[in-house]
Amino acid sequence: DAMVIQNPRYQVTQFGKPVTLSCSQTLNHNVMYWYQQKSSQAPKLLFHYYDKDFNNEADTPDNFQSRRPNTSFCFLDIRSPGLGDAAMYLCATSRDSSPGGHQPQHFGDGTRLSIL
Amino acid sequence: GENVEQHPSTLSVQEGDSAVIKCTYSDSASNYFPWYKQELGKGPQLIIDIRSNVGEKKDQRIAVTLNKTAKHFSLHITETQPEDSAVYFCAAGVSGGSYIPTFGRGTSLIVHP
Repeated sequence: DAMVIQNPRYQVTQFGKPVTLSCSQTLNHNVMYWYQQKSSQAPKLLFHYYDKDFNNEADTPDNFQSRRPNTSFCFLDIRSPGLGDAAMYLCATSRDSSPGGHQPQHFGDGTRLSIL
Repeated sequence: GENVEQHPSTLSVQEGDSAVIKCTYSDSASNYFPWYKQELGKGPQLIIDIRSNVGEKKDQRIAVTLNKTAKHFSLHITETQPEDSAVYFCAAGVSGGSYIPTFGRGTSLIVHP
């Protein structure tokens, strides 16, 4: 059973037209992440939530926003998509652990975003 | 911040051969090192991980070794099969609170039948 679910799997939008990607999880993990992955590259962290606390990466464009209304759901909003935003967007979750513990990230299968 | 180098970028082997992927990291504070397998059109899936207080870990055909002094860790796959073909990512970071790993650039493993 899928534990991190991303919808839709494929999304096509027009240049400049706002788009929202969604992620839900059944793991009850308190940390949720959004990554951008372009072809043949490693995932690039955009931001993450630790519970309700939002943590933005320094180089994430202002065009990208996120919402986490509850533990299970997290959304990625792209306000004015440009051609350079075409990519796979990955959601991941993890559980906080005590210092010294390990906590693997669980990834969804991503949403592939195309910009026309 | 952490910097992770991963080699090779592409690895081609014959079915049944072994495959080794190597990563180095820069931050001596990093203490948790997962390896992910990403198949085409899917998200990365954890295949094995290791903590800094362990030198080696094995799970069937997959093993990971860690050398803290040299700051490098490696993934070993024995008796490779065509279904092992995928992109493999190593990662390193400090566990605790929000775990924010730094990923390597990935290795595309191709196993020829």
